[in-house]
Amino acid sequence: DTGVSQDPRHKITKRGQNVTFRCDPISEHNRLYWYRQTLGQGPEFLTYFQNEAQLEKSRLLSDRFSAERPKGSFSTLEIQRTEQGDSAMYLCASSAGMVAGVGKNIQYFGAGTRLSVL
Amino acid sequence: QKEVEQNSGPLSVPEGAIASLNCTYSDRGSQSFFWYRQYSGKSPELIMFIYSNGDKEDGRFTAQLNKASQYVSLLIRDSQPSDSATYLCAVRRANFGNEKLTFGTGTRLTIIP
Repeated sequence: DTGVSQDPRHKITKRGQNVTFRCDPISEHNRLYWYRQTLGQGPEFLTYFQNEAQLEKSRLLSDRFSAERPKGSFSTLEIQRTEQGDSAMYLCASSAGMVAGVGKNIQYFGAGTRLSVL
Repeated sequence: QKEVEQNSGPLSVPEGAIASLNCTYSDRGSQSFFWYRQYSGKSPELIMFIYSNGDKEDGRFTAQLNKASQYVSLLIRDSQPSDSATYLCAVRRANFGNEKLTFGTGTRLTIIP
């Protein structure tokens, strides 16, 4: 168990550029979540997958954001035409889901990708 | 009203004392409650979870839940300088289906040697 892996750790981009982040969940976890965290705030939910199905998207996820999990393993989060307001830490988490039992359905977070939009 | 509210702090506690962190939530449908610790620039790390009314103890940590009052707390006994971090309270509404977490803004805790 190597934990949740995110790449890159840091991304600096110019306004208007597209960026893509990758998340590799814990291998046996079928649920994968994306959150965004800005300075002084708690993480905010963006979207989540059960296997390859994207089951919910937050209102925070504008049309410029898209997430995929094509084979139910790793996931990508793409932001098109980045804006300065997109600057944040993007966190990925995974869990085993309720099949593991209430007490074991824990979300484990990756180290995050810090995005800076200039 | 925010869904999950925490005092942002900073909360300063002498080393060896008990640190008490509080959280209230607005959604009565919330089923499970989590405390994550986050060091500056790092990702959240799970400390405790609780889903039944009462107390749950794990080492120096005790989580307390009162669903009638919509209140959850975290006690840290024998506080250590390494406990200095931001503590995030998170709630989960559903035990099945959407299991997203809703976080508070966090309480910044400083343990004074």
